[in-house]
Amino acid sequence: EVQLVESGGGLVQPGGSLRLSCAASGFTFSSYEMNWVRQAPGKGLEWVSYISSSGSTIYYADSVKGRFTISRDNAKNSLYLQMNSLRAEDTAVYYCARDDRITDAFDIWGQGTMVTVSS
Amino acid sequence: SYELTQPPSVSVSPGQTARITCSGDALPKQYAYWYQQKPGQAPVLVIYKDSERPSGIPERFSGSSSGTTVTLTISGVQAEDEADYYCQSADSSGTSRVFGGGTKLTVL
Repeated sequence: EVQLVESGGGLVQPGGSLRLSCAASGFTFSSYEMNWVRQAPGKGLEWVSYISSSGSTIYYADSVKGRFTISRDNAKNSLYLQMNSLRAEDTAVYYCARDDRITDAFDIWGQGTMVTVSS
Repeated sequence: SYELTQPPSVSVSPGQTARITCSGDALPKQYAYWYQQKPGQAPVLVIYKDSERPSGIPERFSGSSSGTTVTLTISGVQAEDEADYYCQSADSSGTSRVFGGGTKLTVL
């Protein structure tokens, strides 16, 4: 079964750091581009970051540029999001999403992990 | 930054046709995608590349494009279609993905 499972969310103080992980299974992870998408409570979806299959190309939303770092370990079938200098507005459910090679759509999503930034 | 604009809500009676629009300046150059999200669940792709339907998505879901506006059409709406719908595309450079604000579809 094709699956993405996020972990690492939790409660963190403003200015703190957190590292999210996304474990992939059921497909050849190293062949796919990946993304992080977040959703604040009661709000819409917001794309956060993209990484190519090899990790050589990376893009960020302006709202997280300079604070978040996306990375991947193809040997471990895992995607990561290092989040530093966290703010209250970063509070959200964070989803990892696979980029389909043919459709360029986010075709597979994880169940999400909740990040709460609060003192 | 680039934005996609959707109506906040659309309401239809069962069996009627629902149309949800999404507007953005780069849509003539970039494909649009539509996702359905039900409460407490991850989004599900329902339309890709403006008008293509993934396998497993009912035929009542269709997409179209005209200039700077794309439209998701749900024909013969069913109660189970009640959800939030998001359009998604990219900016003109293709480096930034963007979602519309979402449209809550209510089946009366």
